[in-house]
Amino acid sequence: GNSVTQMEGPVTLSEEAFLTINCTYTATGYPSLFWYVQYPGEGLQLLLKATKADDKGSNKGFEATYRKETTSFHLEKGSVQVSDSAVYFCAPSGGSYIPTFGRGTSLIVHP
Amino acid sequence: DGGITQSPKYLFRKEGQNVTLSCEQNLNHDAMYWYRQDPGQGLRLIYYSQIVNDFQKGDIAEGYSVSREKKESFPLTVTSAQKNPTAFYLCASSKEGDFYEQYFGPGTRLTVT
Repeated sequence: GNSVTQMEGPVTLSEEAFLTINCTYTATGYPSLFWYVQYPGEGLQLLLKATKADDKGSNKGFEATYRKETTSFHLEKGSVQVSDSAVYFCAPSGGSYIPTFGRGTSLIVHP
Repeated sequence: DGGITQSPKYLFRKEGQNVTLSCEQNLNHDAMYWYRQDPGQGLRLIYYSQIVNDFQKGDIAEGYSVSREKKESFPLTVTSAQKNPTAFYLCASSKEGDFYEQYFGPGTRLTVT
């Protein structure tokens, strides 16, 4: 089955700093790749996705590029805000119609 | 507005009691899911249903039960057999042909004492 490894958190940054959250995966075939975000006390919501190699997903200033050769889908943002404080989940699709969620990486942004 | 609702937001129960968590969606999605989230852990799949009147066990189904009598509803019962029921429970849905893009409800935090 699929598996996903995310960098451990919490990641603590100052406002306007550059963000990278690493995600690598193992999967059979060519999965679609997703990043979800969970704000405190809420459910998850889709942040961005990429469906084939070299695709770049982007939303709200966040970007991630589907790297098939390194089986990675790292999340980046050039300038984080306090409102970006949340938990971020990487999720490759799988063969059983169920995504595989990573353990999540907590981001804390200080003013 | 279309979306998923879960109620209540917070639920408190005594040990030994069964409790049912509600999940309703008006997105016309075929598939629905229940996840459990514990502090510092990812999401663990409890049950899922891809069609009305059919559902499948996930990774941690023991001590839980579900029903899918209507397309828009997928209630989860946490039974007294569940050894550690205190957790944050998330319901999600997705549409046919795009199962991996999931839409989540706001969650129910269950505390059992």
